[in-house]
Amino acid sequence: GESVGLHLPTLSVQEGDNSIINCAYSNSASDYFIWYKQESGKGPQFIIDIRSNMDKRQGQRVTVLLNKTVKHLSLQIAATQPGDSAVYFCAEQNAGGTSYGKLTFGQGTILTVHP
Amino acid sequence: KAGVTQTPRYLIKTRGQQVTLSCSPISGHRSVSWYQQTPGQGLQFLFEYFSETQRNKGNFPGRFSGRQFSNSRSEMNVSTLELGDSALYLCASSGRTGNTIYFGEGSWLTVV
Repeated sequence: GESVGLHLPTLSVQEGDNSIINCAYSNSASDYFIWYKQESGKGPQFIIDIRSNMDKRQGQRVTVLLNKTVKHLSLQIAATQPGDSAVYFCAEQNAGGTSYGKLTFGQGTILTVHP
Repeated sequence: KAGVTQTPRYLIKTRGQQVTLSCSPISGHRSVSWYQQTPGQGLQFLFEYFSETQRNKGNFPGRFSGRQFSNSRSEMNVSTLELGDSALYLCASSGRTGNTIYFGEGSWLTVV
C-alpha cells in the first residue's frame, strides 16, 4: 500500500507553543505538496501547499518547509491553539506527470493541544 | 462559494449489495477524484475524472467504479459490497492538475 499503518505518530503541546509536524515523502518525482488538517468526522481541510521550486512558504500562523535533498516536509504552527487539535496529513503529487488527481498521503500525525 | 458536497453522509448496507455515492465539485472545477479512508490503510486514491473521462485509477478491484457527468458532478459505485469496504469515501475537486485539491466531508459507509 502507499500509506498509513495502524499507529499514528502523536504530538502533544501546550497552548501557545509552536508545533512542528514532520513528513517524509517517497517519490523524488513529486513536485507539489499539500498539508491537510482532518478533524474527527470531517474531511481533510486544506492548510497550505508548496511547489518543488520553493523551499519555504508561509501562511497565517503556518509555515511549510521543503527539503528535496532528503525528501522531507515539515509544517510549523505558531502559537498553537486548542482548535488546532486534529490529525495532520502531508500529501505529495507528481503534478507535472500523469498523476491526475492522485495524491499520495502520509500516515498522519495526531496533534493534541492542551489548554 | 460552496465547497465539495457529498451525499449521503452516512449509510449502512448489507454485504452483497451495491452502493452509489454522489459528489458535487466546487463550481468551476472539472477534476473530481475519489479516495477511500480506513484506519488500517489510511487515505488511498480510487480514481480521477476530468471532462467525463477517467484519467487515472488506483489499485482497487473492478467492483469500484465511477463516472462523471457533463456538469462535472460525479458518482462512484461499489458493487457486491464486502465488510472490508466499510470506510469513509472522500471526494475531492480541483481546477486542473497541480491546483489545490479540496475535499468534501465524505460519505461514511458501513457494510454489515
